[in-house]
Amino acid sequence: DADVTQTPRNRITKTGKRIMLECSQTKGHDRMYWYRQDPGLGLRLIYYSFDVKDINKGEISDGYSVSRQAQAKFSLSLESAIPNQTALYFCATSDRQSSSYEQYFGPGTRLTVT
Amino acid sequence: LAKTTQPISMDSYEGQEVNITCSHNNIATNDYITWYQQFPSQGPRFIIQGYKTKVTNEVASLFIPADRKSSTLSLPRVSLSDTAVYYCLVGEWRKLIFGQGTELSVKP
Repeated sequence: DADVTQTPRNRITKTGKRIMLECSQTKGHDRMYWYRQDPGLGLRLIYYSFDVKDINKGEISDGYSVSRQAQAKFSLSLESAIPNQTALYFCATSDRQSSSYEQYFGPGTRLTVT
Repeated sequence: LAKTTQPISMDSYEGQEVNITCSHNNIATNDYITWYQQFPSQGPRFIIQGYKTKVTNEVASLFIPADRKSSTLSLPRVSLSDTAVYYCLVGEWRKLIFGQGTELSVKP
């Protein structure tokens, strides 16, 4: 089984709808991240959480919110989706105990807002 | 935040060694240099990380000169399956920024 899972894998929604993307991990890592990737571009950090009670905004947090329900779960919400939020969304985890900056990525959620 | 500059694309042939250079002129003292690989529609995968001099693992080598203003990822004897986008990241825990990356195309 995959260590980092994301649901749904694909989602089409309409402008103005609220949508939640979920991420779960079995790696036991304390740090979790949400990124978005637009075609031909690198990943941009939306939010990151270093602990259940430690949530921080990333580079592009406007229009998004997150919830860290447990160490293993980190959800991303779009309160009112808009077309320019159409993108590929990745969840990632990392281990505070590790000396490297290695992040482990999920398979991604492809979101289309019409 | 240290900005990175990499070639947008590179071509190579199977069996060749590929070197991808990343420029990061304003790297900070505490910053590490990390490289990731990404295949289409997949999440990035960690390749290698270093602070200075040379680091080698089973997949690649990373060369960092003394001034640390650049770094070179070296992939020995590439195969078709190494066709991917390679990202150079500079920073510490909270400040890892993915740039546009280098699209490597390996041909038979």
